[in-house]
Amino acid sequence: GEDVEQSLFLSVREGDSSVINCTYTDSSSTYLYWYKQEPGAGLQLLTYIFSNMDMKQDQRLTVLLNKKDKHLSLRIADTQTGDSAIYFCAERGVSSASKIIFGSGTRLSIRP
Amino acid sequence: DAMVIQNPRYQVTQFGKPVTLSCSQTLNHNVMYWYQQKSSQAPKLLFHYYDKDFNNEADTPDNFQSRRPNTSFCFLDIRSPGLGDAAMYLCATSRDRTDTQYFGPGTRLTVL
Repeated sequence: GEDVEQSLFLSVREGDSSVINCTYTDSSSTYLYWYKQEPGAGLQLLTYIFSNMDMKQDQRLTVLLNKKDKHLSLRIADTQTGDSAIYFCAERGVSSASKIIFGSGTRLSIRP
Repeated sequence: DAMVIQNPRYQVTQFGKPVTLSCSQTLNHNVMYWYQQKSSQAPKLLFHYYDKDFNNEADTPDNFQSRRPNTSFCFLDIRSPGLGDAAMYLCATSRDRTDTQYFGPGTRLTVL
């Protein structure tokens, strides 16, 4: 079945780059998403990438997709305290196009 | 400008007492979703409406029902809340089934 996995925690120093990794199992994934969830809040769509792309950049965010290895990463440049949150990777497959499968989230903490 | 609105943000109910959570959207999207998210877990899809067409996930308990009286509003009814139903409930919308989902801020439900 479809599965999305992420490491649970990441700690980075303020000003450094953060790299959050995700692996997925559905080779027919069409879109892959990154959502951000701050404490007590809903999910905010950060960015997404279509499966025929390798990279997408949007200001401080860079998404890399390795379709062969089914690996997705989100790089946040110049990490700030406001980036502290849980980051969810999610994928949409062809078999259940109306459903997106979420990973369990990576909690990013920023140290001074 | 809020696009997906959930009311209330916090809801406390008693064990077994029916409760209704509300979601509205200003995006005129065709699809509305309800997710349940327990602490430190990924959101879990309960059901979705495509226009008036209701689609239940196979593992959603019968205790959870939904209504969509018009395009803008969707309700989640929990007929007899148990302690295990305490969670964050997230509403999301998308223009079509395969489009990006946009989330509301969530309603945190406490069951006493």
